[in-house]
Amino acid sequence: GENVEQHPSTLSVQEGDSAVIKCTYSDSASNYFPWYKQELGKRPQLIIDIRSNVGEKKDQRIAVTLNKTAKHFSLHITETQPEDSAVYFCAPNSGTYKYIFGTGTRLKVLA
Amino acid sequence: EAGVAQSPRYKIIEKRQSVAFWCNPISGHATLYWYQQILGQGPKLLIQFQNNGVVDDSQLPKDRFSAERLKGVDSTLKIQPAKLEDSAVYLCASSKGREAGELFFGEGSRLTVL
Repeated sequence: GENVEQHPSTLSVQEGDSAVIKCTYSDSASNYFPWYKQELGKRPQLIIDIRSNVGEKKDQRIAVTLNKTAKHFSLHITETQPEDSAVYFCAPNSGTYKYIFGTGTRLKVLA
Repeated sequence: EAGVAQSPRYKIIEKRQSVAFWCNPISGHATLYWYQQILGQGPKLLIQFQNNGVVDDSQLPKDRFSAERLKGVDSTLKIQPAKLEDSAVYLCASSKGREAGELFFGEGSRLTVL
């Protein structure tokens, strides 16, 4: 079946530093690569996504890069702030509309 | 535009009892999903509907879980009989379903099985 892994599982950074989370997937047919942020007790919300015809996408302090050959994509957060503290999930598609969530990365931004 | 509505928000039951969760997706969204999120884990897909048809239910424990989406709009997820390990948040999500894209989640229904 589909396999989606994230690394690291936890990440602590000082405020203002950068954070990088990597997602590795197994389905070579995947063509949509989103990242979701889930704050404690809240629902997951999309923060950025990329499609397979693009290698990188940036939105202010967050960016996503895709390496389709190696089957991984990464979330980059620059100038981290305390409000970035949350759990982040990747959820590449497997089949057109099926999304398998990764194992999650807990990010702590230390003030 | 109204978001995905779910109810109830919280439910506490004894093991072997039954429970039902309801979800109303965003108007016009063709695809509806039920995910189970156990504390500290990522959401696990239970079932996926496209309009009123089941697309994927490979991870649904069919001996105790059932789901339906009548008329291709709202959906109900039922657990009968519940086990202790069913304690989780049940998240409903919807998407437009015309191409791979954003999932819009409801606030979730938190189930505690005692």
